[in-house]
Amino acid sequence: AQSVTQLDSQVPVFEEAPVELRCNYSSSVSVYLFWYVQYPNQGLQLLLKYLSGSTLVKGINGFEAEFNKSQTSFHLRKPSVHISDTAEYFCAVSDGQGAQKLVFGQGTRLTINP
Amino acid sequence: DAGVIQSPRHEVTEMGQEVTLRCKPISGHNSLFWYRQTMMRGLELLIYFNNNVPIDDSGMPEDRFSAKMPNASFSTLKIQPSEPRDSAVYFCASSPRSSGWDEQYFGPGTRLTVT
Repeated sequence: AQSVTQLDSQVPVFEEAPVELRCNYSSSVSVYLFWYVQYPNQGLQLLLKYLSGSTLVKGINGFEAEFNKSQTSFHLRKPSVHISDTAEYFCAVSDGQGAQKLVFGQGTRLTINP
Repeated sequence: DAGVIQSPRHEVTEMGQEVTLRCKPISGHNSLFWYRQTMMRGLELLIYFNNNVPIDDSGMPEDRFSAKMPNASFSTLKIQPSEPRDSAVYFCASSPRSSGWDEQYFGPGTRLTVT
């Protein structure tokens, strides 16, 4: 079975500063990895995903993530954040065998201060 | 194209009452998922369907919970009888194909409060 740990429940940063949201996963098989974002009072939407190939994945809104198999990590980064990036961010994993069950981390609340 | 539609957006009910949550997936999507989100347990998958057939219901917490998908454009999640600990936000999501790498498209959620 897979599990996901998001190491920070809250991350406050200043506008235009860089940010990294950390995600580690545990799995005995190959995995697919996802980052979803949830804006206040909305459903989740996909930021980016890693399936295979290049370990650096670029997503929407200037976000990117790097898959590190040896460290079982999939950290999310953005070089310069905007007030509109204030949201909750979820890392998720599904097994690489094609099963559709997504296991989500507990989420990281990103707060952008002006 | 409209996204995933959920109704109602908010539901307040008394303990012991039956609650029915509704979901209309994106047209043409083959898979439908029901999730529950709470502060304590985070986001949990309750059940998912492929081509209207339930595939995995291992996340359904108790027999009080049931889900149906009578056709490709409609699904319900029913709680009978409801209890205060069922209070949560319930999300429905759909995806185009029955594959683990597909994006899931989430609805806006139904906030359920059981008093």
